[in-house]
Amino acid sequence: ETGVTQTPRHLVMGMTNKKSLKCEQHLGHNAMYWYKQSAKKPLELMFVYSLEERVENNSVPSRFSPECPNSSHLFLHLHTLQPEDSALYLCASSQDLETGSGNTIYFGEGSWLTVV
Amino acid sequence: AQTVTQSQPEMSVQEAETVTLSCTYDTSENNYYLFWYKQPPSRQMILVIRQEAYKQQNATENRFSVNFQKAAKSFSLKISDSQLGDTAMYFCAFMGYSGAGSYQLTFGKGTKLSVIP
Repeated sequence: ETGVTQTPRHLVMGMTNKKSLKCEQHLGHNAMYWYKQSAKKPLELMFVYSLEERVENNSVPSRFSPECPNSSHLFLHLHTLQPEDSALYLCASSQDLETGSGNTIYFGEGSWLTVV
Repeated sequence: AQTVTQSQPEMSVQEAETVTLSCTYDTSENNYYLFWYKQPPSRQMILVIRQEAYKQQNATENRFSVNFQKAAKSFSLKISDSQLGDTAMYFCAFMGYSGAGSYQLTFGKGTKLSVIP
């Protein structure tokens, strides 16, 4: 069992839909991340949260909206997506963020998103 | 900006044999961390091994070991006694200061490893 749980595992949505991806970590970590994994491209960091505050937004379009209500939960709200947004979205967490101690990042199993 | 290069898109190895996956990176930093992650067909990213740049000793985890050459900015992964369960995508990753108050993990494009019975 992974310490980082993502739901749903698979999601198909139309371009006009609004949906959300959910991530929960059971590791007592303070930092959480959203990554996007597309075919033929390296993993791309989308957002970073530390202690429920967003610390990085890597030029992600506004049709992706993250939310971190507490240190254990992270959401990715999706609206008016494009077919090229179809990808595997990976949530991850680490003990903390800013100490630079090389904290290991642990990943969830990912949410497969297909935009039709 | 840091970059990570994995020059072998695909590799195969016979079961019980040894295979080495290569990784090079580019950075101007002196303190950083390197990782190898494994992504099996289930798609979960699993940490295989990590290396602190300030440590000269190569990291080892059971059948997995690294050859860390800091001057050459090289970080290869050696898998000994390959098993069928080692079949997966392997990603090399670099963690360094992103300049925005946080440390960012940068991944290579991955190497698809197939272990042949």
